[in-house]
Amino acid sequence: AQSVTQPDIHITVSEGASLELRCNYSYGATPYLFWYVQSPGQGLQLLLKYFSGDTLVQGIKGFEAEFKRSQSSFNLRKPSVHWSDAAEYFCAVQTGANNLFFGTGTRLTVIP
Amino acid sequence: GAVVSQHPSWVICKSGTSVKIECRSLDFQATTMFWYRQFPKQSLMLMATSNEGSKATYEQGVEKDKFLINHASLTLSTLTVTSAHPEDSSFYICSAKRQGLSGANVLTFGAGSRLTVL
Repeated sequence: AQSVTQPDIHITVSEGASLELRCNYSYGATPYLFWYVQSPGQGLQLLLKYFSGDTLVQGIKGFEAEFKRSQSSFNLRKPSVHWSDAAEYFCAVQTGANNLFFGTGTRLTVIP
Repeated sequence: GAVVSQHPSWVICKSGTSVKIECRSLDFQATTMFWYRQFPKQSLMLMATSNEGSKATYEQGVEKDKFLINHASLTLSTLTVTSAHPEDSSFYICSAKRQGLSGANVLTFGAGSRLTVL
């Protein structure tokens, strides 16, 4: 069965600091992996996705994520966080049935 | 880019009434749409898969008679919460499936609809 784990419920970083949000997945086949961002009261916006090929994927807003098959991880990174990055971040895995399974989310707080 | 519109974005209703939420793909056709429910500070839970021209597929534990889904066209799916109760208050999000440039399917999400049942 597929599952997605985001170990960090809440992370606080200072503006300008680097960021890494962790995501581990469990899925029997080659996964399609996604990171979404959700601002308060809003829907989800796709940051980036991994289907195949280069394991380091670039997304919007300066985010990147690295797929590590050996660790079953797909961690999201950003070298310098901006105050506008404060939001909820969801990692998701897409199964062969095209269903998305989401992690529980990580709430990011940015300190000025 | 692909856009999915959800309406209404916010609705308040009395207990016992029914509420309809629309999900439209504005610039692409979507044979499959998905409906999710999100409780405060929690993740999204898939409720059902909406297929154009056929019955929706509901996830385990979701009452199909409570949450009626209709996907009458390639650009519109509706979720009707029937005889709403306060415990149905939640944030409902839809997504529509489209084929991306790489050939793989991509989901585009609506902005969500917040339902408050008094």
